[in-house]
Amino acid sequence: ETGVTQTPRHLVMGMTNKKSLKCEQHLGHNAMYWYKQSAKKPLELMFVYNFKEQTENNSVPSRFSPECPNSSHLFLHLHTLQPEDSALYLCASSQVTGTQPQHFGDGTRLSIL
Amino acid sequence: QQQVKQSPQSLIVQKGGISIINCAYENTAFDYFPWYQQFPGKGPALLIAIRPDVSEKKEGRFTISFNKSAKQFSLHIMDSQPGDSATYFCAASTRGSGNTGKLIFGQGTTLQVKP
Repeated sequence: ETGVTQTPRHLVMGMTNKKSLKCEQHLGHNAMYWYKQSAKKPLELMFVYNFKEQTENNSVPSRFSPECPNSSHLFLHLHTLQPEDSALYLCASSQVTGTQPQHFGDGTRLSIL
Repeated sequence: QQQVKQSPQSLIVQKGGISIINCAYENTAFDYFPWYQQFPGKGPALLIAIRPDVSEKKEGRFTISFNKSAKQFSLHIMDSQPGDSATYFCAASTRGSGNTGKLIFGQGTTLQVKP
């Protein structure tokens, strides 16, 4: 398997649930990113990891909790989400931070009931 | 300062025509300008990118024109095909060590190419 793989592809959850999004990259990259894509808005960078260390948190609410156990895997733990958190969550990777291009996964479509 | 403004929001072109999407930026520190193509149900995929030391870059039917003094860049799709129907995003970034590689995206343009 190659590229950036995200699971699940679709997720429906209530506001009180706890769930996790998973991202895995098979490109040998060391930087990984979480983006939020909402309709009619630019992609919003959420978190950046470089060699497993978080290098940027773009003022993301604490109900989103990222985890990067190694350079190939990235998780986004979700709890007590709000309806406005419904969006497409995209994972991306690059060689290291500061280098381009970034390669994106196909995203997880999240719906909050 | 960190925004990238993209227009138009949507575009309808006849097959064989030229599609043109424009972007403008303010931050003169930006030195990498990619265009991403996104099909429904898929993530964005890099289409073509340019650095500010050249004014134009062409890859097949896709061309980026870059105007450093005006702080504008555009994507031209020649001989547009129905398979080009997708959402296109421009973006900008700065390079260098210690940089997070943050990409600033435009709002996107939905292109429909009619057969």
